[in-house]
Amino acid sequence: ILNVEQSPQSLHVQEGDSTNFTCSFPSSNFYALHWYRWETAKSPEALFVMTLNGDEKKKGRISATLNTKEGYSYLYIKGSQPEDSATYLCASSIKAAGNKLTFGGGTRVLVKP
Amino acid sequence: EPEVTQTPSHQVTQMGQEVILRCVPISNHLYFYWYRQILGQKVEFLVSFYNNEISEKSEIFDDQFSVERPDGSNFTLKIRSTKLEDSAMYFCASIEQGPGTEAFFGQGTRLTVV
Repeated sequence: ILNVEQSPQSLHVQEGDSTNFTCSFPSSNFYALHWYRWETAKSPEALFVMTLNGDEKKKGRISATLNTKEGYSYLYIKGSQPEDSATYLCASSIKAAGNKLTFGGGTRVLVKP
Repeated sequence: EPEVTQTPSHQVTQMGQEVILRCVPISNHLYFYWYRQILGQKVEFLVSFYNNEISEKSEIFDDQFSVERPDGSNFTLKIRSTKLEDSAMYFCASIEQGPGTEAFFGQGTRLTVV
């Protein structure tokens, strides 16, 4: 059973501060790691899909890194803004799984003005 | 921007009743999925659908569940006889190509079984 874990479960960030959080996943048979941003009552929004060890991706103030050998990914938010408040989900897929995603429990970020 | 749409946004049903959750995936996408999230738990995979057939299903997806793509645009999830434990947020997703590409999710249908 593929087990994906995220930490912390939630965090409060002061506006303007930077923050980061972790997704860990089994490294065997790894295929891809996805990050989603999910606001209440909206669709989860894809941020990044990463497949290669050492991948780093960036979208505005948000970036992510991937270490497939040790099975973790970090998501960074630089200069947090109130609109960054959301739940950030990671999901992993493996080669034998037929494209399905296995999700972590999410990290709920609240940016305080 | 193309998006996945789901209807209804909220459905309340009596235990034992049949429900059909509807999804319109993005038109040129090839892979379709249903996921669900029970309150307080992780989002979990139910079923994947490709080339007009189920490609993978989870242990949750038993004989009470079925999926259909009746007309080339809609993608439905049917629960034949709902149980209290089926109460969850159900998400539809679609992918244009194969693994390693971005999955687009709908906004979800909240199913409440009473």
